Amino acid sequence: DTAVSQTPKYLVTQMGNDKSIKCEQNLGHDTMYWYKQDSKKFLKIMFSYNNKELIINETVPNRFSPKSPDKAHLNLHINSLELGDSAVYFCASSPGPYRTNYGYTFGSGTRLTVV
Amino acid sequence: AQTVTQSQPEMSVQEAETVTLSCTYDTSESDYYLFWYKQPPSRQMILVIRQEAYKQQNATENRFSVNFQKAAKSFSLKISDSQLGDAAMYFCAYFSYSGGGADGLTFGKGTHLIIQP
Repeated sequence: DTAVSQTPKYLVTQMGNDKSIKCEQNLGHDTMYWYKQDSKKFLKIMFSYNNKELIINETVPNRFSPKSPDKAHLNLHINSLELGDSAVYFCASSPGPYRTNYGYTFGSGTRLTVV
Repeated sequence: AQTVTQSQPEMSVQEAETVTLSCTYDTSESDYYLFWYKQPPSRQMILVIRQEAYKQQNATENRFSVNFQKAAKSFSLKISDSQLGDAAMYFCAYFSYSGGGADGLTFGKGTHLIIQP
């Protein structure tokens, strides 16, 4: 049973399209995150949700919209995809924002390629 | 904002040898946590080791150990008896409760570790 699962693992799409990446965790964690890993492998936080409420919203284009229907799910919707959006997107979870001292559990990542 | 610096973009070591990856960080906090994550070619992010800043004892996990120097704000990872499976990107990460923990983990830019057979 995968603790944090992301779908799809690979996504190839054309510029201008809208796409979604889904994330689910079965660890009972309260907090979920989206990170972007660029071509140089740099990991940068995009969003964080705690129990369905947004707690971190870094400076990302508003074409990116996270949605958390419940605390076990955090989806990422991207509108009007651009070439620069090509990256690996990681979902992660932690027991809570005050309990991230044990680190995150990561999903396996979604490699998004925009052509 | 806290920053994490990994000054070695790439390191190479012979199999069975020992290698040390460097990490420094900038913080004004006294209580925080440090991590090393491994990212093999499979892309999966794997927690290797964790250190609590208030503990003076260096963390150890099998062949992996850290040298935590709080005053110098340094947190290096030592891998003993390197194995081919250790080849990966290694990321140093920092977490503190400042801001209520809302900032999550801050990562360094990573060190690509090559193991020479």
